[in-house]
Amino acid sequence: GAVVSQHPSRVICKSGTSVKIECRSLDFQATTMFWYRQFPKKSLMLMATSNEGSKATYEQGVEKDKFLINHASLTLSTLTVTSAHPEDSSFYICSARGTYSNQPQHFGDGTRLSIL
Amino acid sequence: EDQVTQSPEALRLQEGESSSLNCSYTVSGLRGLFWYRQDPGKGPEFLFTLYSAGEEKEKERLKATLTKKESFLHITAPKPEDSATYLCAVQAVTQGGSEKLVFGKGTKLTVNP
Repeated sequence: GAVVSQHPSRVICKSGTSVKIECRSLDFQATTMFWYRQFPKKSLMLMATSNEGSKATYEQGVEKDKFLINHASLTLSTLTVTSAHPEDSSFYICSARGTYSNQPQHFGDGTRLSIL
Repeated sequence: EDQVTQSPEALRLQEGESSSLNCSYTVSGLRGLFWYRQDPGKGPEFLFTLYSAGEEKEKERLKATLTKKESFLHITAPKPEDSATYLCAVQAVTQGGSEKLVFGKGTKLTVNP
């Protein structure tokens, strides 16, 4: 149980392109979804938290106009990197959690984004 | 500031050689401590949640324990398939009042046959 699917797994695109990443909870209702960025040999860094039907809450230093998050249903959240540039290249991972805050987050397998 | 420090950064073991990974934390009001396993190019896989000092949980060759300042992940008689990066995270409360996980940098475990 508690399977989270993230798609695509890898994206390579030109600078200036917008890229959409999907995160789906397959077998549970995800009241809250999270988007992280991971750099080599660094901690997972939380970018934003989204609750179904509400606007996302962004962490300090994360540009909300750059990283658009939509959480329209209890099973789907999307992250759109708008007008991506090489410095946006990274490993993006989503997670999903049920109703209670002390429940574990379950993670997708990540998206490797490379901007040329 | 909420912080999680994991040690060692990397650990090499021979198959069958038991050891422990450490996770020390400072957090204002622990709501939960989580252990995850992450394989290269994949997302973290949930292992355990610990909520209070003295709590222990086991799963196959892994056992997690918790004190007021740190958690240990004990690996008994490891096998090569236990090779992965093990991440520790604590549940913290943000300035806005919501809760989030604060992760350590992980311990990369390699088990040689």
